[in-house]
Amino acid sequence: QVQLQESGPGLVKPSETLSLTCTVSGRSINGYYWSWIRQPPGKGLEWIGYIHYTGSTDYNPSLKSRVTISVDTSKNQFFLRLSSVTAADTAVYFCARSDTLLVGYYFDFWGQGTLVTVSS
Amino acid sequence: DIQMTQSPSSLSASVGDRVTITCRASQSISTYLNWYQQRPGKAPKLLIQATSRLESGVPSRFSGSGSGTDFTLTITSPQPEDLGTYYCQQSYSTPWTFGQGTKVEIK
Repeated sequence: QVQLQESGPGLVKPSETLSLTCTVSGRSINGYYWSWIRQPPGKGLEWIGYIHYTGSTDYNPSLKSRVTISVDTSKNQFFLRLSSVTAADTAVYFCARSDTLLVGYYFDFWGQGTLVTVSS
Repeated sequence: DIQMTQSPSSLSASVGDRVTITCRASQSISTYLNWYQQRPGKAPKLLIQATSRLESGVPSRFSGSGSGTDFTLTITSPQPEDLGTYYCQQSYSTPWTFGQGTKVEIK
């Protein structure tokens, strides 16, 4: 069974950089796409971007200028960096595996989520 | 970006009712449509991928249908554990986008 676990600071100051790690266990990170998704308190889901195990990435244009997703296959981890954060970036951040079988991609395994609050 | 619009935003159903949630895409997405259930305080859980393919372990009372721009998630005879918020998500093109969610309460 694939398990994902997010880790990182729960509080980030405005204008600073949010950094999160997703550790994957139970399965190699190789062969898949890995996504970050966020959910502001009481609101819906927003896809931030994905990384392929080879290192190729795709980002949501709404965040593209501030987002970097990277991967360390040797540690079975991938990472999120979001720069110049504001209160609007306060959210629960999820990491998830993106897989495909028939048509398109879906998020089949998720981390439990970590709340990141942007506040001074 | 492809906009996904769900209706209704919330509903209340009794055990044994039939629940229907609709999802409309702003352009045709073929069958590139997935459904998730999010229970309070939990991560979303994949229920259905590619419009109608039920994930392993998901009860058969859940079903999905549609194509193009209009899709439906149906719960026949909902159970108390089906409470939560349901989201549709398109993977036809990036940025992958979600509907705003439908909150389901079970009476």
